[in-house]
Amino acid sequence: SYELTQPPSVSVSPGQTARITCSGDALPKKYAYWYQQKSGQVPVLVIYEDSKRPSGIPERFSGSSAGTMATLTISGAQVEDEADYYCYSTDNSGHHGWVFGGGTKLTVL
Amino acid sequence: QVQLVESGGGVVQPGRSLRLSCAASGFTFSNSGMHWVRQAPGKGLEWVAVIWYDGSNKDYAESVKGRFTISRDNSKNTLYLEMNSLRTEDTAVYYCVHTTDSNDYWGQGTLVTVSS
Repeated sequence: SYELTQPPSVSVSPGQTARITCSGDALPKKYAYWYQQKSGQVPVLVIYEDSKRPSGIPERFSGSSAGTMATLTISGAQVEDEADYYCYSTDNSGHHGWVFGGGTKLTVL
Repeated sequence: QVQLVESGGGVVQPGRSLRLSCAASGFTFSNSGMHWVRQAPGKGLEWVAVIWYDGSNKDYAESVKGRFTISRDNSKNTLYLEMNSLRTEDTAVYYCVHTTDSNDYWGQGTLVTVSS
């Protein structure tokens, strides 16, 4: 079955740039999406279609995709950005469901 | 504003059944595909099922295929998930999700605990 791979954890100091990667064989042809989930809260979409930001998401969140890897970048990470981040996408099989990455715990301190 | 309210969760024994509901408002439900996504305690997100806006197409995760059935009643603006032959590994918070071209909307989730 199709898999998306994320690093389990990323750690940065406040003000630094955090980069979270998501790798998958279908990403050259399929969009990547990114969710932020803070402890005890519902996931929030922060990036859709590789690089677009939903309304209300701060500009410090950006996304990119090249080859088999998508990247979520948080420029000037803030303490309130500490959360779990999940990428999701679809595969090339014609299956219409989503595949989530395993999630990355971002620590900002 | 978009509102999704799940219900029907609870404690159930392995092998038994449960039906979840998701009441939708604030958007044209009958024009929207809908998903169920779950999250086991302390674990990551897992997509469960999707249904087309008119119910004509459905798709499932391999882990639930043959046991779970997604359905909808557009006259009641309600999404359902019928869960049969429940296993302990189905224990999770279940969310219904509405997607648009530029955003996703999630309910607050309903907890299903499968335990003897």
